[in-house]
Amino acid sequence: SQTIHQWPATLVQPVGSPLSLECTVEGTSNPNLYWYRQAAGRGLQLLFYSVGIGQISSEVPQNLSASRPQDRQFILSSKKLLLSDSGFYLCASSRVPYNEQFFGPGTRLTVL
Amino acid sequence: KQEVTQIPAALSVPEGENLVLNCSFTDSAIYNLQWFRQDPGKGLTSLLLIQSSQREQTSGRLNASLDKSSGRSTLYIAASQPGDSATYLCAVSLGAGSYQLTFGKGTKLSVIP
Repeated sequence: SQTIHQWPATLVQPVGSPLSLECTVEGTSNPNLYWYRQAAGRGLQLLFYSVGIGQISSEVPQNLSASRPQDRQFILSSKKLLLSDSGFYLCASSRVPYNEQFFGPGTRLTVL
Repeated sequence: KQEVTQIPAALSVPEGENLVLNCSFTDSAIYNLQWFRQDPGKGLTSLLLIQSSQREQTSGRLNASLDKSSGRSTLYIAASQPGDSATYLCAVSLGAGSYQLTFGKGTKLSVIP
């Protein structure tokens, strides 16, 4: 089965600072990759998904961006963080045809 | 737009009791449905995946059913244990290329010893 790694596990950043969160996947190839954000009381929101290297789709307008430089690497970035970017960021992976999604341990981001 | 609702939002039961968690979705044209467990501060653990052509899936003490036409799924937990305490999330995928999931807000389960 797939194993998802995320780092860092926790991050405290000031408003206006840049962000880079990394996700890597083991145990599969050519996965679909996803970034979700979980905010308190709001459930999980899909931010980006990717079906291949360099292919990124955005689900919500925001100051975040995503990149997929390698098949099993997915990066979430921001040039300038906002207070509203605080939350729990989860990376997920799935494969056709069954598309069961597997999640990483998450990164807790606090923007002060 | 697909919407997923989970009822109840929280549930407290004594150890050993059988229980049912409910999930409903507005668009019945789903590709699959997945149940997850989330412990506080942790990622999601996949419990069961039901494809749209299936009616149910079982794993140990867990059984999930799917009634696509009525837009409903249930997660049955037999002989609950304190270690089952967690938030349970239901999510559906419409397929169509990205297979992205739409999540409910979850049911927080507490099993009292």
